[in-house]
Amino acid sequence: DAKTTQPPSMDCAEGRAANLPCNHSTISGNEYVYWYRQIHSQGPQYIIHGLKNNETNEMASLIITEDRKSSTLILPHATLRDTAVYYCIVWTNTNAGKSTFGDGTTLTVKP
Amino acid sequence: DTGVSQNPRHKITKRGQNVTFRCDPISEHNRLYWYRQTLGQGPEFLTYFQNEAQLEKSRLLSDRFSAERPKGSFSTLEIQRTEQGDSAMYLCASSSGQAPGGYTFGSGTRLTVV
Repeated sequence: DAKTTQPPSMDCAEGRAANLPCNHSTISGNEYVYWYRQIHSQGPQYIIHGLKNNETNEMASLIITEDRKSSTLILPHATLRDTAVYYCIVWTNTNAGKSTFGDGTTLTVKP
Repeated sequence: DTGVSQNPRHKITKRGQNVTFRCDPISEHNRLYWYRQTLGQGPEFLTYFQNEAQLEKSRLLSDRFSAERPKGSFSTLEIQRTEQGDSAMYLCASSSGQAPGGYTFGSGTRLTVV
């Protein structure tokens, strides 16, 4: 399995964009990049996933570099409720869900 | 459908006792996953079911742990002879497996072994 590297913590001002990086330099061609977040005392929540192209949904945008070795999750207008641990994981269709998440990035949104 | 439901939310048990947790997945999801999460770490995969078949087990799943999904619907995770090191959040997730996409997690069961 490809491993991911994320900074342990980040701060962001409320209303500003939060840009969370993830390095996955050993990613394989059939591995998707998934992002989840976990708010304290809750289970992880799916945010977005992508293979090659940039993706956007109602929660966030995912920017994947052309070589696919890194990606950035963008929360365009962070709110206090976006304070959470954000996990970046790489999965194939076959092994999806069957691996450990890693330690993630703790994002703190400040007023 | 109210999502993935896990019961109980909290469990305190004495060392050496057996405990059982229950997970009710989203009804149309045929895939079910169990994870363990300790403080400050991400979820660790334990085991995976497709319908009633347990298809994968992590090496983290010692012989004191057993999981079942008897009718392909709800699942139970039992820990026998609990140890203090078993104290953790136990998470369940389900998916339809139809396409790459999100897995829906429950809120977890917090186990404390005293």
